[in-house]
Amino acid sequence: EADIYQTPRYLVIGTGKKITLECSQTMGHDKMYWYQQDPGMELHLIHYSYGVNSTEKGDLSSESTVSRIRTEHFPLTLESARPSHTSQYLCASGQGYGYTFGSGTRLTVV
Amino acid sequence: RKEVEQDPGPFNVPEGATVAFNCTYSNSASQSFFWYRQDCRKEPKLLMSVYSSGNEDGRFTAQLNRASQYISLLIRDSKLSDSATYLCVVPDSGAGSYQLTFGKGTKLSVIP
Repeated sequence: EADIYQTPRYLVIGTGKKITLECSQTMGHDKMYWYQQDPGMELHLIHYSYGVNSTEKGDLSSESTVSRIRTEHFPLTLESARPSHTSQYLCASGQGYGYTFGSGTRLTVV
Repeated sequence: RKEVEQDPGPFNVPEGATVAFNCTYSNSASQSFFWYRQDCRKEPKLLMSVYSSGNEDGRFTAQLNRASQYISLLIRDSKLSDSATYLCVVPDSGAGSYQLTFGKGTKLSVIP
């Protein structure tokens, strides 16, 4: 039933590995976002895109990068994972301010 | 700097109680406001939008006071299923910006 999909749901990976978190939406939304959220803490915007070939960094400094080659796809990449990257990563999309969030990827870097 | 401040919580209330959360915001240019609900270890989901003085949806009422720059969420006849964290959300007002600033959230636990 979800119209925005994130994979994997959980990821445990070793330090130094390159990882890509996938996010896809079937709603045709131009605007897509990546948020980072630690347990019990607020969401922090790390990347956003207002359309194909458009990406911007958010308020929270992040070592990750994103790409937007297709409207429906907004993957996030960490070139070299570190324990400090352990967190939940939430992808969202929307046309205006009514965001729809994916289920998130819970990343643990050991 | 844009800021959204919420009641710290947690709020522990019995079933059937009425509970209210407040939220203050610093961006006086914001025109619309939102309450999102986030269950434990789940993603946030849009609960209500507020564009004018207020909005009511069943047991939930959201009110806006622009002069004092605060938004409130009232839940009547609380159910166990209302237990969640409620996030106050304020959009940026910059031209062409569709970013949202999320508050830290207020945790509600409804007790049998």
